[in-house]
Amino acid sequence: EDQVTQSPEALRLQEGESSSLNCSYTVSGLRGLFWYRQDPGKGPEFLFTLYSAGEEKEKERLKATLTKKESFLHITAPKPEDSATYLCAVQARQTGTASKLTFGTGTRLQVTL
Amino acid sequence: ETGVTQTPRHLVMGMTNKKSLKCEQHLGHNAMYWYKQSAKKPLELMFVYSLEERVENNSVPSRFSPECPNSSHLFLHLHTLQPEDSALYLCASSQESTDSDTQYFGPGTRLTVL
Repeated sequence: EDQVTQSPEALRLQEGESSSLNCSYTVSGLRGLFWYRQDPGKGPEFLFTLYSAGEEKEKERLKATLTKKESFLHITAPKPEDSATYLCAVQARQTGTASKLTFGTGTRLQVTL
Repeated sequence: ETGVTQTPRHLVMGMTNKKSLKCEQHLGHNAMYWYKQSAKKPLELMFVYSLEERVENNSVPSRFSPECPNSSHLFLHLHTLQPEDSALYLCASSQESTDSDTQYFGPGTRLTVL
């Protein structure tokens, strides 16, 4: 059974204080690892897809990296508008149609002035 | 309209009511999904439709009944729900391919069952 564990559960940073969020996973053959951002009361917003160990992707202050067992979401010099819950999900290699994602419980990030 | 839209955004219903949630995707995708999101729990996949056929039903109680009339629309019909069914219901869509297919989510319907 595929599993995703995210840590920490909650993180409070001051503006400009860089940090990393962790996503540990077990999956029967990784097809893709996804990062989403979710604001309160809204749907998840897609950020990145990573496909293989060693891959990195960046978007503004966010950088996602992937190893064979975990992924990190690095936040450089965060701003208050980066406050949100960050979700990690994995997709296993499978036959048949349509993708199935297994999600973690998320890291709730709060960035203060 | 762009992306994935859901209506209504908020719904309060009694345990004996019948209601429906609607989802529409404007992305030209061929797969659609219903998820349930409860506090402190991961997103739970409920149903998957691929090319308008249901390909996944994750042991969801029969009081939830999905319908996918075409590749752009997805409904979730609700009847005789329980208070524990109160949650955020999310719709998503994706374009299936041989590579990984990214799912794009709608804003969700916040459901409260009294």
